[in-house]
Amino acid sequence: GAVVSQHPSWVICKSGTSVKIECRSLDFQATTMFWYRQFPKQSLMLMATSNEGSKATYEQGVEKDKFLINHASLTLSTLTVTSAHPEDSSFYICSASIRAGGALGGYGYTFGSGTRLTVV
Amino acid sequence: DAKTTQPTSMDCAEGRAANLPCNHSTISGNEYVYWYRQIHSQGPQYIIHGLKNNETNEMASLIITEDRKSSTLILPHATLRDTAVYYCIVTPGNMLTFGGGTRLMVKP
Repeated sequence: GAVVSQHPSWVICKSGTSVKIECRSLDFQATTMFWYRQFPKQSLMLMATSNEGSKATYEQGVEKDKFLINHASLTLSTLTVTSAHPEDSSFYICSASIRAGGALGGYGYTFGSGTRLTVV
Repeated sequence: DAKTTQPTSMDCAEGRAANLPCNHSTISGNEYVYWYRQIHSQGPQYIIHGLKNNETNEMASLIITEDRKSSTLILPHATLRDTAVYYCIVTPGNMLTFGGGTRLMVKP
């Protein structure tokens, strides 16, 4: 099945530095990718939607200048957390959509394994 | 996206069927019902999705009421590895918006 590879799985960085998280679709082309953030004991919160070759669409309250998303190819999307601060510490997860086969239709959504970011 | 309502938590005995309910009374005609689960500190895992008819795959069965206002995910023989948060999501297919989900605890 469709697999999304996300790395790093965890990262610790100093406050004020930037961190890049990569999300790759393996064996399929992902025209649309999604980025989520999840705080402890909370649900996933959609941050932004990125379409290959165009600017990402950010959800309300998400700073686009702080969370830079690049989706330059059909198999790679990156999220860069710029000038990270301790409050940015969270679990970041990417997802790619792929049209489901068969008579049922709809889309399948495959998720990466997530990146645990800790800012110290 | 239509909102969903799920119980916050449920327990199930190992080997028994786990029945997870979901209410989606405002679902639109073009919206699918998706079920995902998330095991601690991992990305969500697809379980099943449906539109009108009941669906079954190797993981679970999805029962959708005739009026489509609610559904039930059935894990036929729950194992300890099925302990996770289960999310019911309705969407026309453009994105997934997660609610609180149901924390299923499978006990020996």
